[in-house]
Formats: sequence, structure tokens, C-alpha cells
Amino acid sequence: DTAVSQTPKYLVTQMGNDKSIKCEQNLGHDTMYWYKQDSKKFLKIMFSYNNKELIINETVPNRFSPKSPDKAHLNLHINSLELGDSAVYFCASSQGSGGQPQHFGDGTRLSIL
Amino acid sequence: AQSVTQLGSHVSVSEGALVLLRCNYSSSVPPYLFWYVQYPNQGLQLLLKYTTGATLVKGINGFEAEFKKSETSFHLTKPSAHMSDAAEYFCAVTNGGGYNKLIFGAGTRLAVHP
Repeated sequence: DTAVSQTPKYLVTQMGNDKSIKCEQNLGHDTMYWYKQDSKKFLKIMFSYNNKELIINETVPNRFSPKSPDKAHLNLHINSLELGDSAVYFCASSQGSGGQPQHFGDGTRLSIL
Repeated sequence: AQSVTQLGSHVSVSEGALVLLRCNYSSSVPPYLFWYVQYPNQGLQLLLKYTTGATLVKGINGFEAEFKKSETSFHLTKPSAHMSDAAEYFCAVTNGGGYNKLIFGAGTRLAVHP
């Protein structure tokens, strides 16, 4: 009974392609996030949605476009993939603010050839 | 702006020894602090959190951390290391505001030797 699930787990593709990563949570949370973990394991937030509304949009190239069809889903679409996009992308969710802990998925490892 | 510094990117201990992973934070508002653990090829799992109240917080797997405002620290400890504790540990801070944005430290890799 996975709480936050991401698909696919691995994504290998060529430079210039467009790809999507999907995330679903069954915790009933109202806020979802995308984080990027680089090759040195450093984690940085990219986006956050609260009840389908974008509330955090860090300095991320506009080739990255998140979409939240409902509060249980947050997808990430990436256009014109570049070598520097190779990383592990984590989806997370939490209930509201007030320092509520975030629950993470297992990540999607994106490799650009 | 908030930030987190984890001292020591690698820590190595013997099985049964004390584990001490250091975390210092910077925040202009009262912080909410977290420790997460990441096992290989897995996501992050919450170990413990500090929001308000008791400054010594206990988490899963025998870990605990103490919030020290005067030292701006939130060090993670475990009295006796197990082989299964070998993993990457991340300290994180948020101001608990409407955006609940987590700022992570660079992580500390814990190795446990027999």
C-alpha cells in the first residue's frame, strides 16, 4: 500500500526528447512537491502545489512544467531534455503547512544519453 | 533566508558505538526541523521532527535529536549503531509557513563497521 508512488522508477532517454514523470499519493494530503537530487545527493525543491494551485516555483528552467489534475496527483513534464537534467526526481506530499512532515516517493532516476 | 549545514559528509562508526550526526541551521523565524534517512535507491524516510515543545525528540529506530536554540543546532544521536543504520542522513528546516518549503543540508553518509 504505497503512500507516494512515482512512475517510472528509471527513465533513460536521449538529449532533446520530452518526457513525463507521474506521481500519486493516497494519504489524502493537500500539498505535493517535486524535488531534484543531483549526483552529489543534494536535494532542492522545484515546485509545490496546494489543492491544485501552484504555490512554489523555484528558479527552474521553463522546460519543466508541473501539472496537478487533482490534489492526489502531481506530474512533471520536461521538454527538450539536456545532459544536466540527469538526476533523481522525488515527489513528496504533506497535509497543509505548519511544519507538517513531507512523505516522499522512491524517486525517478532520469539518465540523459 | 534559511539554510542548513551538516558537518561531516562521511561519518564512520563501529557497530555498537555512539552515532552523532551534526546539523546546524540558520533561520530568522522559529524553525521546524527534520531528520530524514535515505537508504540506497530509495526515497527519504522521516526519522524525527521538531516543531514546538520538548526540545529532545525521539524518532524511529532508536534515534533522537535535541533542538538547541542558543547553538542553532539539531544534532542526531543513537546510543548504539547497528549495521542496518548505514545510509545517507539529511537534516532539513522549514519555517512552517504557508509554503512549507524544506531546505536540506548536503547530507551525511553513515558507514557502520563490524
